Amino acid sequence: NAGVTQTPKFQVLKTGQSMTLQCAQDMNHNSMYWYRQDPGMGLRLIYYSASEGTTDKGEVPNGYNVSRLNKREFSLRLESAAPSQTSVYFCANRETYNSPLHFGNGTRLTVT
Amino acid sequence: RKEVEQDPGPFNVPEGATVAFNCTYSNSASQSFFWYRQDCRKEPKLLMSVYSSGNEDGRFTAQLNRASQYISLLIRDSKLSDSATYLCVVNMGTGSARQLTFGSGTQLTVLP
Repeated sequence: NAGVTQTPKFQVLKTGQSMTLQCAQDMNHNSMYWYRQDPGMGLRLIYYSASEGTTDKGEVPNGYNVSRLNKREFSLRLESAAPSQTSVYFCANRETYNSPLHFGNGTRLTVT
Repeated sequence: RKEVEQDPGPFNVPEGATVAFNCTYSNSASQSFFWYRQDCRKEPKLLMSVYSSGNEDGRFTAQLNRASQYISLLIRDSKLSDSATYLCVVNMGTGSARQLTFGSGTQLTVLP
């Protein structure tokens, strides 16, 4: 039982390159989330999906797009990476609106 | 004012000590509260939920004070393995938009 799985674990991009961060869950939870974590800033919500087929912006959505094609998977896309997007990205899910989050292992992204 | 505020520390305590962290939140309508622990370069992991009546899990005690809008975490008989960053998390908003807002974390180092 893997819970929430993210790929890749590490990635280095050049400015302007694009990439998609993948997230998959085997917990059958409706809600899924993408956060970024920067030193001294805490975790900030990028996008979330309350259910399959729906997505909404979080606190810091600029420069990102997401896709929730099915209940299991929620991907995060950087169309044109910028150095300011260097961060650790966490995918998470939760069972209900009052439940805690379950996190994946994270993707460490560096944009040069 | 930040929505969720924590003393960043660091807290350096000897093994066996008792240490307490506080966290204040700005939204009086917040519904649920959690403490997470995060080890260096790892994903946050749920330590415990915080209930209105207060709750205990082994050496850990969490309390909620709605009138003063803060939650606390008490760790008794500190172990070296308790060294980590502790994140205060508050659930704010309504319905599917209800989001978990994270504090920046309090760093704890337990010294031998």
